[in-house]
Amino acid sequence: AQTVTQSQPEMSVQEAETVTLSCTYDTSESDYYLFWYKQPPSRQMILVIRQEAYKQQNATENRFSVNFQKAAKSFSLKISDSQLGDAAMYFCAYRNNNDMRFGAGTRLTVKP
Amino acid sequence: GAVVSQHPSWVICKSGTSVKIECRSLDFQATTMFWYRQFPKQSLMLMATSNEGSKATYEQGVEKDKFLINHASLTLSTLTVTSAHPEDSSFYICSARRTGAARYNQPQHFGDGTRLSIL
Repeated sequence: AQTVTQSQPEMSVQEAETVTLSCTYDTSESDYYLFWYKQPPSRQMILVIRQEAYKQQNATENRFSVNFQKAAKSFSLKISDSQLGDAAMYFCAYRNNNDMRFGAGTRLTVKP
Repeated sequence: GAVVSQHPSWVICKSGTSVKIECRSLDFQATTMFWYRQFPKQSLMLMATSNEGSKATYEQGVEKDKFLINHASLTLSTLTVTSAHPEDSSFYICSARRTGAARYNQPQHFGDGTRLSIL
């Protein structure tokens, strides 16, 4: 079974600064997707960014970018110019042909 | 954009009652839907995969008779928590995958979740 590991239960960043959230995963498959989801206190799951495993180019979405290292099975999320609204739980997720699995999550605090 | 509606958003009921949660894909067909459970300050744990017209696939440790799943149409899956007890109190989230080819790269859309509180 695939596993997703987020080793940082909590992270803190100063407003306007940059923060990187870590994620590693374990799989024997070659075709899969990786995601970062944001879950604010409302508990709605908000897609932040996604990466196709077959693409070497790192995905970017405005202030959000990933560092995808397929050989190392690493998928970190970088948030640039952090804003107060970025404060939330962030979940890394692995998706294959069957289902989607989530990491334990990282709680991000943004300090004004 | 694809919308998944989950109802009810919050339910409080007495121990021993059964509670049904609905998950609807409003503007797309979903052959496959997923049910997750999330305890406070924890991650989403996959409970079962619901396939239209066939039996659901449950994850290890999830009681099939406790959590009944029905996926009778391409737009609706239901999760029924039978004879609910306080330990079943949790946040339940459904997710739907649009019917189509190359399943692994089809977007997965989430409902807003159901907060279940059993007294």
